[in-house]
Amino acid sequence: EVQIVESGGGLVQPGGSLKLSCAASGFSFSDADMHWVRQSSGKGLEWVARIRTKGNKYATAYAASVKGRFSISRDDSMNTAYLQMNSLKTEDTAIYYCARQIVVPNYYYYYMDAWGKGTTVTVSS
Amino acid sequence: IQMTQSPTSVSAYVGDRVTFTCRATQDIRSWLAWYQHKPGRAPKLLIYDVSSLQSGVPSRFSGSGSGTDFTLTISNLQPEDVATYYCQQADSLPLTFGGGTKVEIK
Repeated sequence: EVQIVESGGGLVQPGGSLKLSCAASGFSFSDADMHWVRQSSGKGLEWVARIRTKGNKYATAYAASVKGRFSISRDDSMNTAYLQMNSLKTEDTAIYYCARQIVVPNYYYYYMDAWGKGTTVTVSS
Repeated sequence: IQMTQSPTSVSAYVGDRVTFTCRATQDIRSWLAWYQHKPGRAPKLLIYDVSSLQSGVPSRFSGSGSGTDFTLTISNLQPEDVATYYCQQADSLPLTFGGGTKVEIK
């Protein structure tokens, strides 16, 4: 069974840092691109970041709202992805979801077919 | 690419047919997905490539459209379909989602 479990959320002051973890199981983690998506209270889903596989040089991409402040990484030996969040702002308050990009032979799709239940980040003084 | 969904909410009876729309600000060809999200749960991929049903998703869900205008239809609405539904463009990064349509039962 595919499982994705996020952790590391909590309360942090503006300007602070937090590192989220995304533990995956039930699939070949090293073969999957991974994403972070967030949802602020009462709002919709917002894509945050993506990291590709080792074969694709762990290429990363970020939303403009977090570029330069957040960093996505992965440890394939631990089947875990991470989101390092620095210089946090109140508007970063959200539930953060980790998601697997769908793997279809001979195709490259930006769809996410497995998600965790999220971890809550609150940025407040 | 901005994604706009309408309506923001819909209320219907069990057994009804419900349709809602998603519009992109530019041509995204057929690179569109729909997700179902229930509070406290992981979002769930329902449909990708406009109309391809993800494995395990009931056949009462269907999608259509191309270019900039897309629809999700739930035929024979069931109580377990109460959720918020999001469209997502998969044409290019940054990936973007619509604002969601909340489905409720009358």
